[in-house]
Amino acid sequence: AQSVTQLDSHVSVSEGTPVLLRCNYSSSYSPSLFWYVQHPNKGLQLLLKYTSAATLVKGINGFEAEFKKSETSFHLTKPSAHMSDAAEYFCVVSDPDYGGSQGNLIFGKGTKLSVKP
Amino acid sequence: KAGVTQTPRYLIKTRGQQVTLSCSPISGHRSVSWYQQTPGQGLQFLFEYFSETQRNKGNFPGRFSGRQFSNSRSEMNVSTLELGDSALYLCASSPSGTTHYEQFFGPGTRLTVL
Repeated sequence: AQSVTQLDSHVSVSEGTPVLLRCNYSSSYSPSLFWYVQHPNKGLQLLLKYTSAATLVKGINGFEAEFKKSETSFHLTKPSAHMSDAAEYFCVVSDPDYGGSQGNLIFGKGTKLSVKP
Repeated sequence: KAGVTQTPRYLIKTRGQQVTLSCSPISGHRSVSWYQQTPGQGLQFLFEYFSETQRNKGNFPGRFSGRQFSNSRSEMNVSTLELGDSALYLCASSPSGTTHYEQFFGPGTRLTVL
């Protein structure tokens, strides 16, 4: 079975400083991994995805993530935070076990990112 | 292309009532999934429909049901509403539902049960 652990429920950074949101996954297969962002009262927007191509994945708004199989990690980074980055971020792994009660995507609990001026 | 649309955006109901939520996927997408999001439980999978057939179902009671129409639009229904059903209900569509395709989410329907 797949699982996702987001190591921090809340991260606070100052504007202009780097962002690191940590995610570890558990998978018996070659997973597909995603990061989604959710702004208040909005739906989820895909930031980036990994599907067994390049291990360093670039996404929208300057975010990127690196797939590290040996560490079973898929941490999200951004060199310089902007106020508009304040949102909740979800790390997600695909579940190839079709028919499972968790559905196709397994979501982490989310990390709330606060950006201080 | 228009994104995933959900109607209504906000809904207030009382306990015991039933509610129907609607989702229109991105044109050409045949898979529609529904999720319940609450502060305590996070995002929980409800069910997935593909070509009018329920393909996956989460661990929710039978009061939660859904269907998909031939144009891929989907509805979910919750009967005998309980206070704990207050949540943001998210719909997501995908081109084919295979695991390597991301899902595209709508803005959600905020359901409040009083």
